[in-house]
Amino acid sequence: KAGVTQTPRYLIKTRGQQVTLSCSPISGHRSVSWYQQTPGQGLQFLFEYFSETQRNKGNFPGRFSGRQFSNSRSEMNVSTLELGDSALYLCASSHQGDRGEKLFFGSGTQLSVL
Amino acid sequence: QQPVQSPQAVILREGEDAVINCSSSKALYSVHWYRQKHGEAPVFLMILLKGGEQKGHEKISASFNEKKQQSSLYLTASQLSYSGTYFCGTYHNNNDMRFGAGTRLTVKP
Repeated sequence: KAGVTQTPRYLIKTRGQQVTLSCSPISGHRSVSWYQQTPGQGLQFLFEYFSETQRNKGNFPGRFSGRQFSNSRSEMNVSTLELGDSALYLCASSHQGDRGEKLFFGSGTQLSVL
Repeated sequence: QQPVQSPQAVILREGEDAVINCSSSKALYSVHWYRQKHGEAPVFLMILLKGGEQKGHEKISASFNEKKQQSSLYLTASQLSYSGTYFCGTYHNNNDMRFGAGTRLTVKP
């Protein structure tokens, strides 16, 4: 069974640009969550999607948005990039997003904003 | 809502034991533990559910004190492969998991 796939692996952008990251969950998983990871901050929750609907959202500005498609693949978009958006963005999937299910993480997209 | 982990970092010699703690200011439904090695994705270790159920790795043990809203991860007879950053993740009433800032564990020969 293929794992969680995130593309691209690395991205370099400049301030003010926008970026779209992609996440393909494990086959059969309907819940996809996104996290921002920076040194010392751990994993900060961005949002969670289930069956194409955003169920939960973290404390990030509206520049961060996402969506999920009918095949459960998910994208997140960051508009008007700022230097502080430089981070590793991880997505994780699970069957139902239930609180007793383990998450499967992708390897992440390393975003650098110059 | 982010849980608090302690210690922030720990250095061990092979064979030594370690305890990593995770505490929350809100009532917990479940606690998850993950380990991340440098440059890799976090990997699942264990889930502890309200009511006492546990799911996870045979060689790793953990506790969950619902009243104190705390969990501890016990690493015994540590091996070099245990090195990495350990994260606890907590669920409350909603369905989004919040992670602690992590505990960096280094095991030396």
